Amino acid sequence: DTGVSQNPRHKITKRGQNVTFRCDPISEHNRLYWYRQTLGQGPEFLTYFQNEAQLEKSRLLSDRFSAERPKGSFSTLEIQRTEQGDSAMYLCASSLRGQVKNEQFFGPGTRLTVL
Amino acid sequence: AQSVTQLDSQVPVFEEAPVELRCNYSSSVSVYLFWYVQYPNQGLQLLLKYLSGSTLVKGINGFEAEFNKSQTSFHLRKPSVHISDTAEYFCAVSEGGSNYKLTFGKGTLLTVNP
Repeated sequence: DTGVSQNPRHKITKRGQNVTFRCDPISEHNRLYWYRQTLGQGPEFLTYFQNEAQLEKSRLLSDRFSAERPKGSFSTLEIQRTEQGDSAMYLCASSLRGQVKNEQFFGPGTRLTVL
Repeated sequence: AQSVTQLDSQVPVFEEAPVELRCNYSSSVSVYLFWYVQYPNQGLQLLLKYLSGSTLVKGINGFEAEFNKSQTSFHLRKPSVHISDTAEYFCAVSEGGSNYKLTFGKGTLLTVNP
């Protein structure tokens, strides 16, 4: 168990550019979640996958955001035409579906700064 | 819709003093409750959770919390804090258990001073 990993850890981009983040969950975990955390706030749910199926998306996930988990393993979160309001920490978590008690394990996050 | 309110944004305490971090929630259905800790530049780590059963829940690092359904609260306590407990603490609620989406409060920054 190597934990949830996220890459890159930091990303600085200019407004209008596209960015993509990657999350590698714990290997046997079939659920994967994306959250966004802005300064001074708690994490906010964006979307989650069970295997490769995207089961729920928050209204926070505008048309400029897209998430995929093509083979039910790693996931990518892409933001197109970034805006300064997209600056935040993007957190990924994974869990093993099957028992209500199964814990979500969080990665270290990707900090996005949009200039 | 479920929501979480953490009543204190910052709590400064001295080392070895007791601490309580307050959390209230609202939901129209039965909920599951969690406390997470976040150290600088790190992800979140689960401290403890209430899923069912005993309303007093013990977690890691000497923390405990009590679920109070009538007051819709889930306050976090530690009888004696250490410098190393300095971190951001988040209360969260879920309507589907640990492996369903979480709704977080805004967090409480606990600062332990020598």
